[in-house]
Amino acid sequence: QVQLVESGGGLVQPGGSLRLSCAASGFTFSDYYMIWIRQAPGKGLEWVSFISARSTNIYYTDSVKGRFTISRDDVQNSLYLQMNSLRADDTAIYYCARGWSAYTAIDGWGQGTTVTVSS
Amino acid sequence: DIQMTQSPSSLSASVGDRVTITCRASQSIGRYLNWYQQRPGKAPTLLIHGASNLQSGVPSRFSGGRSGTDFTLTISSLQPEDFATYFCQESYTSVAGTFGQGTRLEIK
Repeated sequence: QVQLVESGGGLVQPGGSLRLSCAASGFTFSDYYMIWIRQAPGKGLEWVSFISARSTNIYYTDSVKGRFTISRDDVQNSLYLQMNSLRADDTAIYYCARGWSAYTAIDGWGQGTTVTVSS
Repeated sequence: DIQMTQSPSSLSASVGDRVTITCRASQSIGRYLNWYQQRPGKAPTLLIHGASNLQSGVPSRFSGGRSGTDFTLTISSLQPEDFATYFCQESYTSVAGTFGQGTRLEIK
């Protein structure tokens, strides 16, 4: 079955960096769009970044442009999010998720990894 | 940017009740509307895609509808496990389209 397992979250000071990873299994990873979505405490869902199959297209929400970098390794079946210059408002649960194509629903989610930015 | 407005933001109901949640798009999105359920402390799961298509494994008491830019999620007979937060999402702009703010469904 589809499995997405995030790791790499933790407590970091403002201005610091973290690298999130997502290990995928149970499906042909290289065929899917992969997305990072976050949820601040008690808040709704916000997409952060997504990457198309074969890394052809990459998008970022405005608030993370220039600070976050998404990448994927289709050999290792892994998705990554390099987060630099972290701010307090980046504090959230970060979910790794997949979508079949550019305009489909998100049909698989990881359990999330928590990022806390605080001094 | 497309705005997705859900109503109500919270709802109290009893087991066995029929409930409907609405999501309104700020512009035409065709049938590119999806619904997700999020139980406390868990990741979201897909319930309905393409406005009215039930995701595999989702109970048939869930259904989705559309009238123009208004979309509905209906639960025909609430079960204890249905008390959760529900989000709509447009995928007209992309797979990572805008989410609604969520509707929290609580036990009365």
